[in-house]
Amino acid sequence: NAGVMQNPRHLVRRRGQEARLRCSPMKGHSHVYWYRQLPEEGLKFMVYLQKENIIDESGMPKERFSAEFPKEGPSILRIQQVVRGDSAAYFCASSPSEGQNNEQFFGPGTRLTVL
Amino acid sequence: QKEVEQNSGPLSVPEGAIASLNCTYSDRVSQSFFWYRQYSGKSPELIMSIYSNGDKEDGRFTAQLNKASQYVSLLIRDSQPSDSATYLCAKDSSYKLIFGSGTRLLVRP
Repeated sequence: NAGVMQNPRHLVRRRGQEARLRCSPMKGHSHVYWYRQLPEEGLKFMVYLQKENIIDESGMPKERFSAEFPKEGPSILRIQQVVRGDSAAYFCASSPSEGQNNEQFFGPGTRLTVL
Repeated sequence: QKEVEQNSGPLSVPEGAIASLNCTYSDRVSQSFFWYRQYSGKSPELIMSIYSNGDKEDGRFTAQLNKASQYVSLLIRDSQPSDSATYLCAKDSSYKLIFGSGTRLLVRP
């Protein structure tokens, strides 16, 4: 499967716990984006990463949220001390290197439920 | 004003008809525009991308872009019940995508 991979697909956490969401981009893609979709709302940009670099994190809450894309391994979106309002679908997308008109391809998403 | 605006619908069309989905955006800087289809509970799927004024056709889908009017549309010919989904319009903004809230399309058998 050469598509964007995300795991877990479903994640249940209690308030105050940590959530770790993983994303492996499509083969040959070096740009990763995270989006969040709250129930009955549109997709909102959170963060844009390249290998070992955060390029744009303007959509990510300043507290409790962090993201990384290490040299080896998947991109990780980490949410500390989760609250009920963090319940949402978190989608990762990837795109090829610059100059490809930025077509982004989405993974299946991680649906986070905070009890 | 939202950066990308779409009518939430639902837009209901009979099977075999042309479905017309519209989107407006608020700036003259964006150069790339995208249509995604999202089935309930699933992830967005890229249908069309368009970068130049005019029409771009791919199978039953035609995207239309008018940068002067800040307007992009998606036409679906010979609509099928399987086309029933939410269609998301997006613009590129410094590599991040800004999405509209989506239009729900319902194709009646």
